[in-house]
Amino acid sequence: QKEVEQNSGPLSVPEGAIASLNCTYSDRVSQSFFWYRQYSGKSPELIMSIYSNGDKEDGRFTAQLNKASQYVSLLIRDSQPSDSATYLCAVRGKLIFGQGTELSVKP
Amino acid sequence: NAGVTQTPKFQVLKTGQSMTLQCAQDMNHNSMYWYRQDPGMGLRLIYYSASEGTTDKGEVPNGYNVSRLNKREFSLRLESAAPSQTSVYFCASSESGGRITGELFFGEGSRLTVL
Repeated sequence: QKEVEQNSGPLSVPEGAIASLNCTYSDRVSQSFFWYRQYSGKSPELIMSIYSNGDKEDGRFTAQLNKASQYVSLLIRDSQPSDSATYLCAVRGKLIFGQGTELSVKP
Repeated sequence: NAGVTQTPKFQVLKTGQSMTLQCAQDMNHNSMYWYRQDPGMGLRLIYYSASEGTTDKGEVPNGYNVSRLNKREFSLRLESAAPSQTSVYFCASSESGGRITGELFFGEGSRLTVL
């Protein structure tokens, strides 16, 4: 089992819809979780971090963490074509990244 | 403010050749990292340096060596390049080993092709 797993996608949603991206991890002691966005041909940039169980909201983005089930998710509300990118889940400790989920938002 | 600067941005090598990827950060960060990114594989950690004077292996260190030259600079060397090392390489830095914020600041990437 990979340490951090994401659905590779691509995930396609219509403009204005909610995009839901999921990530599972294997190390139960992991404490910190991050979502990075990477546009094609560019470097990753941090968009959300979450450390405690529950939800964390920042604008149109909501990160959700469930340590008992070992998953973290990212919801993007009112998706825009500019949100089309690859989203990478990362887990602290060893700075392990998932393989990324490609999101396409169709106008 | 340049952030994290990588050179070169593009490089083509023949199998068996050697080269060094250079990385420098101007944010006074303690920790620096080298990742490679292949299609469908996400980012895989090659080596990292938690602080000046220390280096540690990541997930995929074979075929690579690193040098933390000083606090600003962290280089990645391929001694005998192989086609399997064709990839995009990212250097990153973080303030405190990422233990608090986990925020990595990435360079623009170096695209390496080994023929």
